Amino acid sequence: GAGVSQSPSNKVTEKGKDVELRCDPISGHTALYWYRQRLGQGLEFLIYFQGNSAPDKSGLPSDRFSAERTGESVSTLTIQRTQQEDSAVYLCASSLSGTGRAFFGQGTRLTVV
Amino acid sequence: QKEVEQNSGPLSVPEGAIASLNCTYSDRGSQSFFWYRQYSGKSPELIMSIYSNGDKEDGRFTAQLNKASQYVSLLIRDSQPSDSATYLCAVDNAGNMLTFGGGTRLMVKP
Repeated sequence: GAGVSQSPSNKVTEKGKDVELRCDPISGHTALYWYRQRLGQGLEFLIYFQGNSAPDKSGLPSDRFSAERTGESVSTLTIQRTQQEDSAVYLCASSLSGTGRAFFGQGTRLTVV
Repeated sequence: QKEVEQNSGPLSVPEGAIASLNCTYSDRGSQSFFWYRQYSGKSPELIMSIYSNGDKEDGRFTAQLNKASQYVSLLIRDSQPSDSATYLCAVDNAGNMLTFGGGTRLMVKP
């Protein structure tokens, strides 16, 4: 597809379980971002990948959160031992290097019960 | 710490009026500036970009940039109820990470 694709669209998980969220960026986009957005709140930066550079992990809220990216393609965000406060929409965005013009996926709505 | 600040609102304007949304940023090295619109329950979408001081117009939207004052604004002329959304300001420094403000919620009342 032409846009940023995220899967799953919705995920309901039990507290304490691990979850993995996937993002397929636009082809050729070297920059990839993950954000968290709680209901009624703004975007909370989580992690930033830029090409082969070391990712900026400064936004990850705890060591339960991790993310990987394979080259300049797919990225996965993993949340271990999920907690109820992890419930949010997780948004992925990608952009061409140096442009700052980011395109967002539709998000994954995570509900921890 | 690079910061981008916006008034959270809500900013309420009557239909047909001009809506003025403002944003300040802390990093003087910032070079690219963007406005995103986010409808409730949807993802943000890019609506305007501006790179040099002055005004940039696109239809009913005008972005204004003043680097000396570290200030970016978005004007929406002839506001429509369909413009009701949260508007996010974003700042980029020489191709580095994009930093978003918290967003301003705009309500256009018929």
